[in-house]
Amino acid sequence: QVQLVQSGTEVKKPGASVKVSCKASGYTFTSYGISWVRQAPGQGLEWMGWISAYSGYTNYAQKVHGRITLTTDTSTSTAYMELRSLRSDDTAVYYCARTYFESSGYYNFDYWGPGTLVTVSS
Amino acid sequence: DIVMTQSPRSLPVTPGEPASISCRSSQSLLHSNGYNFLDWYLQKPGQSPQLLIYLGSNRASGVPDRFSGSGSGTDFTLKISRVEAEDVGVYYCMQTLQSPPTFGHGTRLDIK
Repeated sequence: QVQLVQSGTEVKKPGASVKVSCKASGYTFTSYGISWVRQAPGQGLEWMGWISAYSGYTNYAQKVHGRITLTTDTSTSTAYMELRSLRSDDTAVYYCARTYFESSGYYNFDYWGPGTLVTVSS
Repeated sequence: DIVMTQSPRSLPVTPGEPASISCRSSQSLLHSNGYNFLDWYLQKPGQSPQLLIYLGSNRASGVPDRFSGSGSGTDFTLKISRVEAEDVGVYYCMQTLQSPPTFGHGTRLDIK
């Protein structure tokens, strides 16, 4: 069965960086991508970016472009999301999600990790 | 960015009764391949979101057939034929026709 296991809760100070991991199992890692979606407390869902685990190609949301880096380690089927220059409004639960791509350009998020709470506070 | 607007924001439903959620997009989501790049997700309380409906009208694996999606272009609807207690949570529509993918603000369904 498909599983995405994320790293644990993080507490960071403003200006610091955070790196969240997402270990995949139960499927061929390089046949899908991984997207990252965050949810601020009591708020809705915000897409941050995705990475193709096959090619390493990335696509980032403009809002975090320049502060975010998505990577994968295919040897361990693990995806990483690094966010730098953290601000208080980056406080959120960060989800990784397996991303199914079609040749048409369509994609969806068919399996989600449990989420990682990142709190940014001085 | 394509703006997704959902209504209502809150939906109290009696078990066994039907429910309907509307999602409108600021631009057509109809791709040249004839499919609408519109999905529905459900986030149950305390859980991660889960895919319910993809490409406008296709149920994801394991989704009960009381859930159905319809619509095309800019107007979409998620219907639940007979609401059950386990259907409570926040429902989101999301488009992937244009980057960035954007979500609606969500519709909270709860039981009367």
